[in-house]
Amino acid sequence: DTGVSQDPRHKITKRGQNVTFRCDPISEHNRLYWYRQTLGQGPEFLTYFQNEAQLEKSRLLSDRFSAERPKGSFSTLEIQRTEQGDSAMYLCASSSSTEAFFGQGTRLTVV
Amino acid sequence: AQKVTQAQTEISVVEKEDVTLDCVYETRDTTYYLFWYKQPPSGELVFLIRRNSFDEQNEISGRYSWNFQKSTSSFNFTITASQVVDSAVYFCALGGGYQKVTFGIGTKLQVIP
Repeated sequence: DTGVSQDPRHKITKRGQNVTFRCDPISEHNRLYWYRQTLGQGPEFLTYFQNEAQLEKSRLLSDRFSAERPKGSFSTLEIQRTEQGDSAMYLCASSSSTEAFFGQGTRLTVV
Repeated sequence: AQKVTQAQTEISVVEKEDVTLDCVYETRDTTYYLFWYKQPPSGELVFLIRRNSFDEQNEISGRYSWNFQKSTSSFNFTITASQVVDSAVYFCALGGGYQKVTFGIGTKLQVIP
């Protein structure tokens, strides 16, 4: 296990389509986070899981967004009816008590 | 509410110069963690350091050093003898242990050969 991996790395979609991203955290980390980063900004928190439980959701996470972590391992983030404003880098991170590591992100472009 | 301020949005230095990136934070938590991440043009966030609020010792790692001053709520990052490969966006961030991390806006560092 070499780190947090995200798939796909890039996604181009038409407005109105649904998209799903996947994150595989570091296996021994029980906390998993999703962040969104728009151009010129720092990452903004979306939601996080401890094991399979989703413990917090940001106000940025509209009803069109849903995240799951069904078995406490990998996580998915789905965006329904994408809008151009959803274009961003979506970052996943996992943490233990002493470290936090980010994946390489999924860059979403909505055209 | 937590807040991280990185007042320098862009810095340019000539290779081999030293550069300090400033970070000021706000939190009501008594226990918290401070981070620095590097984001090169490829986009991934690279973890550089994590410090807890009880440890104010400065840290040095190679050409990197960090100065944590709780009295001024600052956690500054210095790169000594900068290199072109240091060119990236650097983010300071604040978190409460396992809690979500709040990032600053980032400082874009350009090291000119």
